[in-house]
Amino acid sequence: DGGITQSPKYLFRKEGQNVTLSCEQNLNHDAMYWYRQDPGQGLRLIYYSQIVNDFQKGDIAEGYSVSREKKESFPLTVTSAQKNPTAFYLCASSIVGGQGPYEQYFGPGTRLTVT
Amino acid sequence: AQKITQTQPGMFVQEKEAVTLDCTYDTSDQSYGLFWYKQPSSGEMIFLIYQGSYDEQNATEGRYSLNFQKARKSANLVISASQLGDSAMYFCAMRDLNNAGKSTFGDGTTLTVKP
Repeated sequence: DGGITQSPKYLFRKEGQNVTLSCEQNLNHDAMYWYRQDPGQGLRLIYYSQIVNDFQKGDIAEGYSVSREKKESFPLTVTSAQKNPTAFYLCASSIVGGQGPYEQYFGPGTRLTVT
Repeated sequence: AQKITQTQPGMFVQEKEAVTLDCTYDTSDQSYGLFWYKQPSSGEMIFLIYQGSYDEQNATEGRYSLNFQKARKSANLVISASQLGDSAMYFCAMRDLNNAGKSTFGDGTTLTVKP
């Protein structure tokens, strides 16, 4: 079955530690995204990538880093510079170009708690 | 810049009745897509329906329809014959079809279906 996997589902870290969230897709999508969701709020774009070895900052990139070495993988590192890292993180992918509709397919999310 | 506004933080509907969730948007893009996603309490995002800015007919997908009024910049979601399983958070989103990274979500509406 095609889809997006994110691991782990729950992640706990101490303040000051970097942590990497995994995101893998087997949908052969070119574009991948990372979003952050805080309780009761919408999704905010952290980073996105439309092609391997290239990525762009979203609205809230400070304190985060990404890599896109393979089409299937788009890991997100939450660094110690991120002031409020506790949140729900969602990874998504989509096609680009063509006729659309270009909806995003989402993974199950990782709930990160930093204390 | 893109902006999505969902003015109803919470909505209640009786089972088997129809409900409309409001969404207004603002963008300077000429070619854009409008999306609705459902987020149950488990956290995953489920794509419901899509409307392209050049589509003249309103989109429908089963019990979901999108009431698209381009001049008013609104893209309301109509759910017919509500079911208990429709209780969830619903997000309106838009995306520039010429730039995969320009994707914006609203703050969501929590829908509760009463038996």
